[in-house]
Amino acid sequence: KAGVTQTPRYLIKTRGQQVTLSCSPISGHRSVSWYQQTPGQGLQFLFEYFSETQRNKGNFPGRFSGRQFSNSRSEMNVSTLELGDSALYLCASSSDRWKYGYTFGSGTRLTVV
Amino acid sequence: QKEVEQNSGPLSVPEGAIASLNCTYSDRGSQSFFWYRQYSGKSPELIMFIYSNGDKEDGRFTAQLNKASQYVSLLIRDSQPSDSATYLCAVNMRYGNKLVFGAGTILRVKS
Repeated sequence: KAGVTQTPRYLIKTRGQQVTLSCSPISGHRSVSWYQQTPGQGLQFLFEYFSETQRNKGNFPGRFSGRQFSNSRSEMNVSTLELGDSALYLCASSSDRWKYGYTFGSGTRLTVV
Repeated sequence: QKEVEQNSGPLSVPEGAIASLNCTYSDRGSQSFFWYRQYSGKSPELIMFIYSNGDKEDGRFTAQLNKASQYVSLLIRDSQPSDSATYLCAVNMRYGNKLVFGAGTILRVKS
């Protein structure tokens, strides 16, 4: 069974640009969440999607957005990039997060210069 | 008060010893609790979950939950150098309906 796949693995962008990250969950998983991980802040919740609907959102500015498609694949977008957006962005999927928690992808390392 | 709190460590234990990792959480309505292990440069990997008060054992790992004290712990018996990693406590918060992670505890097992 394939795991959670995130693309690309690494990305370098310039301040002010926008970026789109992609996530393919484990087959059958309808819940997808995104987290930002930095050395200073740890794992911070961005948003969660279930069956194409955003269920909740973390405390991030509106520049961070996401969506989920009918096949459960998800994308997140960050517009007007800032240096502080440099981080590891992790996608995670679950069949039932309350019972089984999440399985994480390998992440996308975003560097903003 | 942070939603999920962990001692950042590092916690250093000799090989073969028991490592004890602790976590407290703020939302009394939380119902499921997870421990993840994260090696340097890798993504978090689920190693244990627990829902009910008491202990849950899986191999060398034991998760302990005390809902009255809002406290979760992870014991690693016969610690090995390969257990050296950051251990993340995660709590499914009823308030906000989200899985919240602690900052993690760095564990170092010395041979």
